[in-house]
Amino acid sequence: AQSVTQLGSHVSVSEGALVLLRCNYSSSVPPYLFWYVQYPNQGLQLLLKYTTGATLVKGINGFEAEFKKSETSFHLTKPSAHMSDAAEYFCAVRGAGGNSKLTFGKGITLSVRP
Amino acid sequence: NAGVTQTPKFQVLKTGQSMTLQCAQDMNHEYMSWYRQDPGMGLRLIHYSVGAGITDQGEVPNGYNVSRSTTEDFPLRLLSAAPSQTSVYFCASSLTGTGGNQPQHFGDGTRLSIL
Repeated sequence: AQSVTQLGSHVSVSEGALVLLRCNYSSSVPPYLFWYVQYPNQGLQLLLKYTTGATLVKGINGFEAEFKKSETSFHLTKPSAHMSDAAEYFCAVRGAGGNSKLTFGKGITLSVRP
Repeated sequence: NAGVTQTPKFQVLKTGQSMTLQCAQDMNHEYMSWYRQDPGMGLRLIHYSVGAGITDQGEVPNGYNVSRSTTEDFPLRLLSAAPSQTSVYFCASSLTGTGGNQPQHFGDGTRLSIL
């Protein structure tokens, strides 16, 4: 079985500040990890993914995430928040091979203060 | 390229009514899935399909039926709507089901209210 934990439901930062959204996972097989963003009244859009290889993954809109196997973490960061980053962010895990399902965390709402 | 298209975008039903949520993709993806999104619950998998003619249950399948007669379409049927099924429903697809590195592409959702 696999699971994703996103601690807290809401993060608020000032414009220009560092964004850090935490994600921890559990998986019995080597995982594939994803971050998705959801803007109000829209579907989910892929921000970035980790499959194999380099553990620091760069995504769209200046976001990046680092896969740390020893910590079973895949935290999302952005050096400088922009007002347009306000959205809900979901971390997800999918096991390699087979008919593996995508399991989502509960999501974190990011607010950006002017 | 339309991607994943869901219809309708909004729907209000009365308890006991049935309806079908439509989902179509034009990317020739093998894998399609339905999720429901509820506040504080993230997205939960209802049903999924790894190809035409093959479907399987996800985490919360009760009260829902699916079929996959073509690669492009994956409709979700509510048999007898209940207030607990009030939610936002998302359809998603990916190139294959095996090989978990394939990201899923999401539709814009159907917002369903059951009175």
